[in-house]
Amino acid sequence: NAGVTQTPKFRILKIGQSMTLQCTQDMNHNYMYWYRQDPGMGLKLIYYSVGAGITDKGEVPNGYNVSRSTTEDFPLRLELAAPSQTSVYFCASSFTTTGYLNTGELFFGEGSRLTVL
Amino acid sequence: AQSVAQPEDQVNVAEGNPLTVKCTYSVSGNPYLFWYVQYPNRGLQFLLKYITGDNLVKGSYGFEAEFNKSQTSFHLKKPSALVSDSALYFCAVSPGPAAGNKLTFGGGTRVLVKP
Repeated sequence: NAGVTQTPKFRILKIGQSMTLQCTQDMNHNYMYWYRQDPGMGLKLIYYSVGAGITDKGEVPNGYNVSRSTTEDFPLRLELAAPSQTSVYFCASSFTTTGYLNTGELFFGEGSRLTVL
Repeated sequence: AQSVAQPEDQVNVAEGNPLTVKCTYSVSGNPYLFWYVQYPNRGLQFLLKYITGDNLVKGSYGFEAEFNKSQTSFHLKKPSALVSDSALYFCAVSPGPAAGNKLTFGGGTRVLVKP
């Protein structure tokens, strides 16, 4: 089991460029998430998905888009990169059902460090 | 809206001494509470969670956390700290599975354990 795999690990973008951060998980988890972590700050939720074909905005969705065509993959697209998007991006997944006691912990990838210059 | 506060940016402790990392939370309804640890240049790793039951929760690597509903706190503890416990620790709260299990994280507390 590889767990949650993110690519690339590092990337430098110029202002206005676009790119996609890839995330794939092999644990058959239904929920997937994208967070960003800024220096000295906690993690902020960008987008999340509760299953294939279903996505929803988190706390800081502006400037990003996601899709969830399969259970395994949850790519994050940055359109028109801006310096404010310089951050470390973490993808996570969990197995979560609606049962009261059935809240799964999140499993995180190693992160993708993005710099926009 | 849910929120988490970790009042200490850094905690310094000598190896072998008890370690406590503080966390308070705010959430509507019953809280789902988590602790994660992050080592340099790594993703977050799950330590423990509280959903219901005993207020003292035991987790990985000898860590435990105490849920206190009246004080809305969920402090992380370890009886005897190791140098290898030096890392960044995050407390998180979730509204539960019915609301997408969206975790809100605190700002993190850096723990430095000195030999």
